[in-house]
Amino acid sequence: GAVVSQHPSRVICKSGTSVKIECRSLDFQATTMFWYRQFPKQSLMLMATSNEGSKATYEQGVEKDKFLINHASLTLSTLTVTSAHPEDSSFYICSAPWTGKGEQYFGPGTRLTVT
Amino acid sequence: SQQGEEDPQALSIQEGENATMNCSYKTSINNLQWYRQNSGRGLVHLILIRSNEREKHSGRLRVTLDTSKKSSSLLITASRAADTASYFCATDMNRDDKIIFGKGTRLHILP
Repeated sequence: GAVVSQHPSRVICKSGTSVKIECRSLDFQATTMFWYRQFPKQSLMLMATSNEGSKATYEQGVEKDKFLINHASLTLSTLTVTSAHPEDSSFYICSAPWTGKGEQYFGPGTRLTVT
Repeated sequence: SQQGEEDPQALSIQEGENATMNCSYKTSINNLQWYRQNSGRGLVHLILIRSNEREKHSGRLRVTLDTSKKSSSLLITASRAADTASYFCATDMNRDDKIIFGKGTRLHILP
């Protein structure tokens, strides 16, 4: 079964509104989680590293004020797309390393459509 | 930024043929993984090969790793229609558990 879940699986919102996406590790604790974005027919681009109990670290070119990340607990990270615009429409995927197993698990993704 | 470059970007072959995809990367790695993604869906982990391994098999999949050339290949033997998907290599650069994806190869199996 899935070890990392995302909610919602798809969301449609109006331009200018904010959308929150949740990423949960189901069977393990994750002090670190990662957020990726994937545009159609492209690869996954790492956006940021979510750190439990401290600020997220963002990859170059990713606006931290637009993509707010909160790692509130050892099993939950949230990505909030603020003041969403149509160009933010994308497939957002999170991942979490299961340190004890030396493996990393990916969530099923959230498809965001901004109209 | 992306670490890996897949080659070819797109590949169409007849069902039953073998498909080979290549991946090159830039910096030293801890391990390399291959993933499959069906259109609009999540990732499916295929195989992980560690930097001290040279070859790994899993069913119809064969992965090789050449750290001296910073390259890896994924071979799918006896391809099936269900293998139609995008395939990505991803590298763990031995720091912070970050996984960086290559650009991917879109594989299309013709009936």
